[in-house]
Amino acid sequence: QVQLQESGPGLVKPSQTLSLTCTVSGGSISSGGYYWSWIRQHPGKGLEWIGYIYYSGSTYYNPSLKSRVTISVDTSKNQFSLKLSSVTAADTAVYYCARDGLGAVAGTGSGGFDYWGQGTLVTVSS
Amino acid sequence: EIVLTQSPGTLSLSPGERATLSCRASQSVSSSYLAWYQQKPGQAPRLLIYGASSRATGIPDRFSGSGSGTDFTLTISRLEPEDFAVYYCQQYGSSPTTFGQGTKVEIK
Repeated sequence: QVQLQESGPGLVKPSQTLSLTCTVSGGSISSGGYYWSWIRQHPGKGLEWIGYIYYSGSTYYNPSLKSRVTISVDTSKNQFSLKLSSVTAADTAVYYCARDGLGAVAGTGSGGFDYWGQGTLVTVSS
Repeated sequence: EIVLTQSPGTLSLSPGERATLSCRASQSVSSSYLAWYQQKPGQAPRLLIYGASSRATGIPDRFSGSGSGTDFTLTISRLEPEDFAVYYCQQYGSSPTTFGQGTKVEIK
């Protein structure tokens, strides 16, 4: 059974960089076949996809966040990470990591997000 | 990007009743790459349906999905107490993948 667990600071100051890590257990990121993703949910709102990473390091980002987002992978630790720079209060959200299958077109998924972390609330405030 | 609009915003029903949730896309969703999720308070979303009509592993058969092109439906044939939650649709046929704003199914 694949499990994902987010970790990182719950409070970030405006203009700073939000950093989160997702640790995967029960399966190896380097086995391939899946995109590893970050998704966020603003309080009381819907879901917003942030981006994907493949074990090789290939990344695909939401154009709305692309200028501020970096997703990286550490296969030796079976982890992938999110960095979001220049944060504002609008970046306050629950951040989830999740797994998706590889779609027919690079950068698209397949079959939906089948495994999720429990989510971590990140608040941007001074 | 493809915008998904879900309706109604809230559905008030009693246990045992049938729930019909709609998801309409601003443009055709390629290959019916449409998924449905259930989310309960304080929990991550759970994948129910993918490919518009295929149930994910372990999902009861009272959940069914249908549709193609721009119009999709999630049907819960007989609501169980644990089905009262928020439901989201997601298209993954084109990048960026996008989600609808959700439909809340509440107890009447």
